[in-house]
Amino acid sequence: QQQVKQSPQSLIVQKGGISIINCAYENTAFDYFPWYQQFPGKGPALLIAIRPDVSEKKEGRFTISFNKSAKQFSLHIMDSQPGDSATYFCAASTSRRGAQKLVFGQGTRLTINP
Amino acid sequence: EAGVTQFPSHSVIEKGQTVTLRCDPISGHDNLYWYRRVMGKEIKFLLHFVKESKQDESGMPNNRFLAERTGGTYSTLKVQPAELEDSGVYFCASSLLGRGETQYFGPGTRLLVL
Repeated sequence: QQQVKQSPQSLIVQKGGISIINCAYENTAFDYFPWYQQFPGKGPALLIAIRPDVSEKKEGRFTISFNKSAKQFSLHIMDSQPGDSATYFCAASTSRRGAQKLVFGQGTRLTINP
Repeated sequence: EAGVTQFPSHSVIEKGQTVTLRCDPISGHDNLYWYRRVMGKEIKFLLHFVKESKQDESGMPNNRFLAERTGGTYSTLKVQPAELEDSGVYFCASSLLGRGETQYFGPGTRLLVL
């Protein structure tokens, strides 16, 4: 049973466009929702993260929108650039002591066409 | 500051052989995690060390997998004997102790079992 479902699996966006990746979770105990960015041959790197006490967090061109009642969160990349082409993973965890393992979505391969 | 390092970067072995993967976390990071991504699926949690103690090993597939963390520093993950379904990318991540601390990932070890 997959606890975090991510869509789409792949996405192609024109340069300057908006990239949107969606995730849904089931476990209401999750209270930390990070997005990771992975380039080929590298490990995942934290891009941006949110906690459920806010509905939106923005860092530069990257925004997380969070809907607690729907148990959904999404990543928006504004003014998408070719350098944003990578695989993106959403994840969730409970931050209580001793239970910090990340539960990941399946990943989205994003391609930004120049 | 050096990031999380993993060795080897790639390993190709035959079914039935033994392989040992190594992870060196960021200095001072007491949390150490092992994850695995199999063939384009989600990244899955394997286990979590706090210093030298196993905090959570609920994700370990079976008793062919053995993880150790000597002296609370580097960690090894041994697969013995390896099976075809063990192929995938094994990631190590580390973080500081605390609530919701960022997990920093290594580049991964790509394991192929033939």
